[in-house]
Amino acid sequence: EPEVTQTPSHQVTQMGQEVILRCVPISNHLYFYWYRQILGQKVEFLVSFYNNEISEKSEIFDDQFSVERPDGSNFTLKIRSTKLEDSAMYFCASSVEAGLEAFFGQGTRLTVV
Amino acid sequence: QQPVQSPQAVILREGEDAVINCSSSKALYSVHWYRQKHGEAPVFLMILLKGGEQKGHEKISASFNEKKQQSSLYLTASQLSYSGTYFCGTLSQSNFGNEKLTFGTGTRLTIIP
Repeated sequence: EPEVTQTPSHQVTQMGQEVILRCVPISNHLYFYWYRQILGQKVEFLVSFYNNEISEKSEIFDDQFSVERPDGSNFTLKIRSTKLEDSAMYFCASSVEAGLEAFFGQGTRLTVV
Repeated sequence: QQPVQSPQAVILREGEDAVINCSSSKALYSVHWYRQKHGEAPVFLMILLKGGEQKGHEKISASFNEKKQQSSLYLTASQLSYSGTYFCGTLSQSNFGNEKLTFGTGTRLTIIP
């Protein structure tokens, strides 16, 4: 069964460092998303991406964040200068069409120290 | 504004029924239900579109009351595997066409033997 895959599963980084989280969405999906979940809290929307551009972003997604689809399969989230409060589980998701179910990857646990 | 879920937590014995509610202050286009087990990614359960439909598979079903902007998830004859945190995600009519699913705070369901 097709699935969204994310790497790495866990990343530890020092405050101020740049990190890149990688995702491979399901191959025939056209919409891609990043969500994050701080430990014990709800899932929060970060950004949606369609047709090689950002379609919507939340207030969390500030200038420190960027997304890219560098080739036909990968979808990346970059955090330029990490802060302690960026520590969270980051989920990538994809869907076939707008408004349909989003399939989530297993997540990358980012720990900023 | 995030949807409000109730109850926040519920403990059931195996075989008992549960209802989880999700309400929004915004006019909704769709409601998505997900289940997340500890340390894992959210798993899609079902989507309900405006029109007051009811959906279900096996012993899990849901309804969507468009007028009240509410959705309820019904779990009947609960099984141990139903344990987890249930999130509703809402797509409002004002941002239909993009993908900013707004998740509720979650309902932690614990099934005990």
